[in-house]
Amino acid sequence: NAGVTQTPKFQVLKTGQSMTLQCAQDMNHNSMYWYRQDPGMGLRLIYYSASEGTTDKGEVPNGYNVSRLNKREFSLRLESAAPSQTSVYFCASSPSYNTDTQYFGPGTRLTVL
Amino acid sequence: EDQVTQSPEALRLQEGESSSLNCSYTVSGLRGLFWYRQDPGKGPEFLFTLYSAGEEKEKERLKATLTKKESFLHITAPKPEDSATYLCAVRGVYNQGGKLIFGQGTELSVKP
Repeated sequence: NAGVTQTPKFQVLKTGQSMTLQCAQDMNHNSMYWYRQDPGMGLRLIYYSASEGTTDKGEVPNGYNVSRLNKREFSLRLESAAPSQTSVYFCASSPSYNTDTQYFGPGTRLTVL
Repeated sequence: EDQVTQSPEALRLQEGESSSLNCSYTVSGLRGLFWYRQDPGKGPEFLFTLYSAGEEKEKERLKATLTKKESFLHITAPKPEDSATYLCAVRGVYNQGGKLIFGQGTELSVKP
């Protein structure tokens, strides 16, 4: 049981480049989440997917898009990266959005130059 | 607006020196309060969920308690391996989609 996995672990982009962060979970969870973590700001929710086929905006969605590819996979796309998107990105999952405990992946450290 | 404040920002203890971490919160109807542990370069690891004032939960040297305004994470006789950042988060009854509001964390360092 790998839990929540994320790829890549590290990424450096130039301003304006695009990329997709991948997340997969093997716990048969229905709900998945994307957070970003910045010094002094705590973890903030970008987007979430309450169940397969649905996605909704979180607290800081601007500049991002998401795709819930299937029950296991939830990807985060940066269409035109900006230095303000330099952060550590975490994916999380929970059995359902009514089940409170969220389980986190190891994170992707992204630097935008 | 829902808010979580953790104190202190950093705490240095000697091995065996017990102490407490504080998490103060304001939320429109508490659905749950969560404690996570985060090691450097890793994702948050779930520790506890508390749902109502007066509730307590324990795991090894850690004990979490909850009142109507704050939660404490008590660390009894800590060891160096307890060094980590401890995160507190809340979920309000009106938060859509399981949104958690996180505090900024307390960085705990335990020296041998």
